Amino acid sequence: QLQLQESGPGLVKPSETLSLSCTVSGGSISTTPYYWGWIRQSPGKGLEWIGSIHYSGRTYYNPSLESRVTVSVDTSMNQFSLKLRSVTAADTAVYYCARAYASGSYPFDYWGQGTLVTVSS
Amino acid sequence: SSELTQEPAVSVALGQTVTITCQGDSLIVHYASWYQQKPGQAPLLVFYGKNSRPSGIPDRFSGSNSRGTASLTITGAQAQDEADYFCNSRDSSGDHVIFGGGTRLTVL
Repeated sequence: QLQLQESGPGLVKPSETLSLSCTVSGGSISTTPYYWGWIRQSPGKGLEWIGSIHYSGRTYYNPSLESRVTVSVDTSMNQFSLKLRSVTAADTAVYYCARAYASGSYPFDYWGQGTLVTVSS
Repeated sequence: SSELTQEPAVSVALGQTVTITCQGDSLIVHYASWYQQKPGQAPLLVFYGKNSRPSGIPDRFSGSNSRGTASLTITGAQAQDEADYFCNSRDSSGDHVIFGGGTRLTVL
């Protein structure tokens, strides 16, 4: 059974960089045809896609966040990572990593449990 | 287009049928996926594509798509179906993922 687990600091100071990793177990991150994505959910709000990456390194980003986001992949560690720069309180959210089937509607079929990141001094 | 619009809230009597909709220009080209989210939990994929239901999802969940509107139908709603439901798809360019704002389903 595929499992995804987010890890990283739960508290980040304003203007600093939020860094999270997602470890994939029970399957290879290099399996096609899948993309690996980050989605966030602000408290009491809806879901917002941040970006996705293919194991080859190809990335796609939400245009509204693209200037501050980098998603990378480490196939040797079976992990992918998120960096969000210059954070503000508006970036406080539960951050999920998920796998997307790269066809059709690109459904996210496996999700991590999510990790709350609070931006505060 | 980069928006998907859902009804904020819908209610259904126990055992009855309810349909939740998702509207957007990109749905003319792309299919939608549907997720169920209960408090404190990660979203769960319940339906996707033209006619696909993940393993383990009850067959009371079904979907359809008609020229810009995707629908999720729950036939014979159960108390455990009370949750938030989100649709998602790709935008018109196909390169970006978009989510609807979510629909809170109450089972009466």
